[in-house]
Amino acid sequence: QVQLVQSGAEVKKPGASVKVSCKTSGYTFTRYSIGWVRQAPGQGLEWMGWISGYDGNTNNAQKFQGRLTITTDTSTTTGYMELGSLTSDDTAVYYCGRVARWNAQYLEEWGQGTLVTVSS
Amino acid sequence: EIVLTQSPGTLSLSPGEGATLSCRASQSVSNNYLAWYQQKPGQAPRLLVYGASSRATGIPDRFSGGGSGTDFTLTISRLEPEDFAVYYCQQYGTSPRALTFGGGTKVEIK
Repeated sequence: QVQLVQSGAEVKKPGASVKVSCKTSGYTFTRYSIGWVRQAPGQGLEWMGWISGYDGNTNNAQKFQGRLTITTDTSTTTGYMELGSLTSDDTAVYYCGRVARWNAQYLEEWGQGTLVTVSS
Repeated sequence: EIVLTQSPGTLSLSPGEGATLSCRASQSVSNNYLAWYQQKPGQAPRLLVYGASSRATGIPDRFSGGGSGTDFTLTISRLEPEDFAVYYCQQYGTSPRALTFGGGTKVEIK
């Protein structure tokens, strides 16, 4: 069965960076993209960006341009999301998900989420 | 960017009742590329509907999506205890860099 397993919770100081991993299994990695979504405490969902598992092409939301890096490692079928210049506003649960198709970016399967806390 | 407005914010209903959730877009959603998700406390969201009206794999037929253009609905025909949760809509009909979610509707037990 399809699984996406994310790395554990992180605590970071303002100004630092965080890198969250998303280990996938149960499907052909290069046939799908991986998307990243976050959810601040008590708030709704926010789309961050996504990356093609086939060619590594990325599409990041304008809001995160310049401080968001999404990558993949096809050898380990793992996706990564790195967010820099963290502030307290970046405290959230970060989710990865498998994007249905290259031209239909909804998430069919989700990871369990990774809590990132930014605090001095 | 397309803004999605969900209403009502909270719906208080009893098990067995029907629920209709609304998602209104600030501009027409191309190809009716709209999805619905369910999220329970402490859990990741789960895909319910894509393409405005196609149920995802394993989703009970009491869930149905409808609408087109700027107005979309998710209908739950008879609420089961496990259906009390928060529901989000998401559009993917615009630029791949401008995907957006609605603010959510909480369906709570009356």
